[in-house]
Amino acid sequence: EAQVTQNPRYLITVTGKKLTVTCSQNMNHEYMSWYRQDPGLGLRQIYYSMNVEVTDKGDVPEGYKVSRKEKRNFPLILESPSPNQTSLYFCASSLYPGSSYEQYFGPGTRLTVT
Amino acid sequence: SQQGEEDPQALSIQEGENATMNCSYKTSINNLQWYRQNSGRGLVHLILIRSNEREKHSGRLRVTLDTSKKSSSLLITASRAADTASYFCATDAVNTGTASKLTFGTGTRLQVTL
Repeated sequence: EAQVTQNPRYLITVTGKKLTVTCSQNMNHEYMSWYRQDPGLGLRQIYYSMNVEVTDKGDVPEGYKVSRKEKRNFPLILESPSPNQTSLYFCASSLYPGSSYEQYFGPGTRLTVT
Repeated sequence: SQQGEEDPQALSIQEGENATMNCSYKTSINNLQWYRQNSGRGLVHLILIRSNEREKHSGRLRVTLDTSKKSSSLLITASRAADTASYFCATDAVNTGTASKLTFGTGTRLQVTL
């Protein structure tokens, strides 16, 4: 089944404790992206990747890191989480970048930073 | 800032009625997509309409695009309780140098009651 998986689905952590949210897709997609969703603000892009070893900042990259060492995986790293990073996070992928291609979303990771 | 903005923010209708939600955007686009999100879950792609298309159908969904008014509408006919979800439009912006980045609006929350 074609899908995007994320882990963990739920995470409660404390300020400053490094964490990684994994994302994996099995569709051989070139483009992958991370979003955060907050009430009243919609989805905002954090980072995206056009291909292996090619990543770039989205609209809200501060406090986040990503890597793309393999085509299928695109982990999101929070080196020192803060309470303002409490949010619902989504990984998404598409065959190529751009609006001609539908994005496939993971199930989401609900992160709480206390 | 958001490229696409949905209207209304929330909509409540009875089962069997039609639901119409609108999306307005600021700059010229290549394509416009609509997505659906069940509460707290990942977004699911519904339909894509290209800038040279005026109307597109998919099952009970009808999407229109008016590039002169920079707006799109999503019509769900004969709504069902299972249509209860948030609906998002997603657009790109022509010639912004952002590799046709897809930007999401804040969504319309649709509630369909029995």
